[in-house]
Amino acid sequence: QVQLQESGPGLVKPSQTLSLTCTVSGGSITNNNYYWSWVRQPAGGRLEWIGRVHTSGDTKYNPSLRGRVTISLDTSKSQFSLKLNSVTAADTAMYFCAGWYTIDQSRWFDPWGQGTLVTVSS
Amino acid sequence: DIQLTQSPSFLSASVGDRVTITCRVSQDMSTYLAWYQQKPGRAPKLLIYAASTLRSGVPSRFSGSGSGTEFSLTINSLQPDDFATYYCQHLNGYPITFGQGTRLEI
Repeated sequence: QVQLQESGPGLVKPSQTLSLTCTVSGGSITNNNYYWSWVRQPAGGRLEWIGRVHTSGDTKYNPSLRGRVTISLDTSKSQFSLKLNSVTAADTAMYFCAGWYTIDQSRWFDPWGQGTLVTVSS
Repeated sequence: DIQLTQSPSFLSASVGDRVTITCRVSQDMSTYLAWYQQKPGRAPKLLIYAASTLRSGVPSRFSGSGSGTEFSLTINSLQPDDFATYYCQHLNGYPITFGQGTRLEI
């Protein structure tokens, strides 16, 4: 059973880069059925998809983040990472990693990491 | 972006009740829609995918229906553990988006 665990700093200064890592266990990060994703949620707010990476190296990002985001894969460590630069207070949120699974005509986000709170403040 | 609008945003119900949450999508999604349950401080939990397929291990009192632009999640005989926030999500095209959530309260 695939499990995900986020790690990274809980506090980032404005204008700096937010960096988080998600470790995949219980399954292979090179499984072609998975698109490894990041999702965030401000306190009391809606879930927002940030982007995803596939084992092929293909990436897709949410245009709302205006080119500030990079998601990468390290298969040797069974990890994928998120970098969000030029952060502001509006980037303060709970950040989740998730496995976007696709098979035939079915797609879903499962599993999810437990989430990590990132606060942007000086 | 594709917009997902859930109704109602807040729902008050009692144990044993049957409730239905609706998700309206701004473009035809076929059946590429999923439902999640989220409790405070926790990650979302997948309930239903492909609009109506129950994830393994999810109680059968949960059911989903719909296609195209209108979908619904029904919970029969509410249990205390069901009081949470529910989100719909489309998975047909980019960017992936979620509904605003429906908070189900006792």
